Amino acid sequence: DGGITQSPKYLFRKEGQNVTLSCEQNLNHDAMYWYRQDPGQGLRLIYYSQIVNDFQKGDIAEGYSVSREKKESFPLTVTSAQKNPTAFYLCASSIGLLSNQPQHFGDGTRLSIL
Amino acid sequence: QQPVQSPQAVILREGEDAVINCSSSKALYSVHWYRQKHGEAPVFLMILLKGGEQKGHEKISASFNEKKQQSSLYLTASQLSYSGTYFCGTWNNRLAFGKGNQVVVIP
Repeated sequence: DGGITQSPKYLFRKEGQNVTLSCEQNLNHDAMYWYRQDPGQGLRLIYYSQIVNDFQKGDIAEGYSVSREKKESFPLTVTSAQKNPTAFYLCASSIGLLSNQPQHFGDGTRLSIL
Repeated sequence: QQPVQSPQAVILREGEDAVINCSSSKALYSVHWYRQKHGEAPVFLMILLKGGEQKGHEKISASFNEKKQQSSLYLTASQLSYSGTYFCGTWNNRLAFGKGNQVVVIP
């Protein structure tokens, strides 16, 4: 079955540490996205990528970095510059960056601070 | 810019109807609706495009009024499985999600 796989499901970060969240899709989608979800805040866009080797900042990109070296993969690094990283992180993909294309979500990674 | 969803929460009994709303201050090209159950991924329900169309998913339907820049989601004869948080996403070069409408259906 095609889908989006996020790993790990739970992640703990120490102070000053960078951590990387994995997102892999086998839907052959061009566009991929990272969202952060905090209680009562909805989904806020961190970064998105329309195509391999290209990505754009979303609304809350500070303290995060991404890469898109392969179509299937869009890892997110939470750097030590992100002072409040505790949240639920969701990866999504769509056929393209188009208004009529639905986004398909992974099961998420819950990140906490030790 | 983030769309505004109202009401924040709805509690209804099985079989009752409810309407939840999504509005934006910007012109919209499309509106997406997703449902998320606690601790799970959001699941796509439907997309509405410009033209005032209505769509349906099970007994859930939606309308899109582009002049008023708003969309409404209609939960008809609600079932327990309709419980969850409903997010609208409004498209203006990219998708911006609202804070969600929490829906609780009780027996």
